[in-house]
Amino acid sequence: GAVVSQHPSWVICKSGTSVKIECRSLDFQATTMFWYRQFPKQSLMLMATSNEGSKATYEQGVEKDKFLINHASLTLSTLTVTSAHPEDSSFYICSASALGGLNTEAFFGQGTRLTVV
Amino acid sequence: AQSVTQPDIHITVSEGASLELRCNYSYGATPYLFWYVQSPGQGLQLLLKYFSGDTLVQGIKGFEAEFKRSQSSFNLRKPSVHWSDAAEYFCAVGGGNTGFQKLVFGTGTRLLVSP
Repeated sequence: GAVVSQHPSWVICKSGTSVKIECRSLDFQATTMFWYRQFPKQSLMLMATSNEGSKATYEQGVEKDKFLINHASLTLSTLTVTSAHPEDSSFYICSASALGGLNTEAFFGQGTRLTVV
Repeated sequence: AQSVTQPDIHITVSEGASLELRCNYSYGATPYLFWYVQSPGQGLQLLLKYFSGDTLVQGIKGFEAEFKRSQSSFNLRKPSVHWSDAAEYFCAVGGGNTGFQKLVFGTGTRLLVSP
């Protein structure tokens, strides 16, 4: 299957700083990328959907000014957690799908563990 | 609202024994149902999916799942577990008009395989 790579795999940052997480599709063009977060012992929750060259669509309750998503190319989307606080500590995972309609499989990255201290 | 329940947080199975992981969903229309597996340090890999048609779905790595509308269930099964199957398994549901896009995941079941 297609490969999606996230970087970094884990990051520790100080409260108040910003952190950028990258999601890359390595062998296909990802027209749509999805960002999820997972709290310990909870489900993965969809945060936002981004289409290349367009503004991201955020799910209800997700602060768009805090979680900045950029999808400037067909192989790269970034999630920036701005002014991070300990409650933002979580597991963030992206998925990417190529052009092909709603039944096109989305491939997942390995996730990024963010710890804010 | 869509929801997925995986009632078992951990399951331990002996190598060579059969496996069944439970998944119940709540969705107002015909659901799209998925099972993913995640090994440590790796992304989610799609095992199988149900969109329509035959309610018994075959997937990769010898897994299968059966959609039972009357029970709102989509349990994952494997007749003989291998040590390499130890991982976290996630059940997910999507909507007919969003397909693979807006997935709602269960909390996952961690499978441990004993010798």
